[in-house]
Amino acid sequence: DVKVTQSSRYLVKRTGEKVFLECVQDMDHENMFWYRQDPGLGLRLIYFSYDVKMKEKGDIPEGYSVSREKKERFSLILESASTNQTSMYLCASSRSYLQGLREKLFFGSGTQLSVL
Amino acid sequence: AQTVTQSQPEMSVQEAETVTLSCTYDTSESDYYLFWYKQPPSRQMILVIRQEAYKQQNATENRFSVNFQKAAKSFSLKISDSQLGDAAMYFCAYAPWGTNAGKSTFGDGTTLTVKP
Repeated sequence: DVKVTQSSRYLVKRTGEKVFLECVQDMDHENMFWYRQDPGLGLRLIYFSYDVKMKEKGDIPEGYSVSREKKERFSLILESASTNQTSMYLCASSRSYLQGLREKLFFGSGTQLSVL
Repeated sequence: AQTVTQSQPEMSVQEAETVTLSCTYDTSESDYYLFWYKQPPSRQMILVIRQEAYKQQNATENRFSVNFQKAAKSFSLKISDSQLGDAAMYFCAYAPWGTNAGKSTFGDGTTLTVKP
């Protein structure tokens, strides 16, 4: 069965800490995405990657960076966590649209991050 | 910029009954994709149904069907014979043709409660 795994289900960090959120997929997907989910705001795209070492900013990249050193792993980094980054973070992956397949997103179970 | 509006923050339905979740969107594009995603309490989002705008026929997946009104920019989800397992938050999403589904614009979500 297809899997997108996020390393932590719940995480509590202090303001100013550097935070790493990890996401691993086992489907050999080219595309990987990071979103944050806040009540009343739906899902907002932070960053995405369409290949190893390739990344593009989404709609709300400020305060975040990403790393994709291997195809299966996509990390979201909060350089200096702030309280307004308290949120649910969702990772997703999909095949390349260029492969002509009906693209489908596969999601992880989310990481609820609290920054105190 | 595209927007997706789900006007019903919460809905409830009796088990075995039918419920319709509303979604409207705003776009100047003529070709695009529309999606409905389900996020159960486990938090792992899954794709429920997908519609390509060039197709006039409404998509169906078992008990789930859509009413796609392109001129009205409306994309509602009908769940027939509701089951307890349908209780979840449902997100409507839009993606322009030729773009990655991961770059979709999501609505704010509708929380569906199913009463036994």
